[in-house]
Amino acid sequence: NAGVTQTPKFQVLKTGQSMTLQCAQDMNHEYMSWYRQDPGMGLRLIHYSVGAGITDQGEVPNGYNVSRSTTEDFPLRLLSAAPSQTSVYFCASSERGRSNEKLFFGSGTQLSVL
Amino acid sequence: GDSVTQMEGPVTLSEEAFLTINCTYTATGYPSLFWYVQYPGEGLQLLLKATKADDKGSNKGFEATYRKETTSFHLEKGSVQVSDSAVYFCALSFNSGGYQKVTFGTGTKLQVIP
Repeated sequence: NAGVTQTPKFQVLKTGQSMTLQCAQDMNHEYMSWYRQDPGMGLRLIHYSVGAGITDQGEVPNGYNVSRSTTEDFPLRLLSAAPSQTSVYFCASSERGRSNEKLFFGSGTQLSVL
Repeated sequence: GDSVTQMEGPVTLSEEAFLTINCTYTATGYPSLFWYVQYPGEGLQLLLKATKADDKGSNKGFEATYRKETTSFHLEKGSVQVSDSAVYFCALSFNSGGYQKVTFGTGTKLQVIP
């Protein structure tokens, strides 16, 4: 029962570097999303996808790119890392993205940008 | 816009004490309501949910009732255990423009001492 798998678990970047956070799910879920978790702010939606080839922006998309070439994978790219992107990142999925469905979360990536 | 307000933590209780974590929301319409739990070093996982007014969600001894008249979804447990120590997030969910728009509260940290 893998569920939602995120890699890496920890990452340290220098300002200006780029990197990709990986997310994969094995539940054939249509809906996938990326959140960032910051102290005192709960979780905020970065980008989401309702199916392969379809992505859209969430609440805080600036500085991030996504693509969805397969149902299983939804990578998040940081184009030029900034200290403000220091956060814990969670990938989440649900079966069809309906409001009454629960989200399945990965275990998170802790990112520090120096 | 939509918002979720949770009581500030941390909340510290002795084992077997009664737990209440308050959650109120502001939303246009009737969202689905959720409680998620996050154990140290892990992603969020669904604890319980309710999808319409007066529904009661329950799981592992935790309960919450969807109260439309007071726009609340308070989490309760009659007798907490040390293993319940975690961060608890209240959330509401709508379908908005084709995606699952989930708004999270800021989280309440619970510490249960033996």
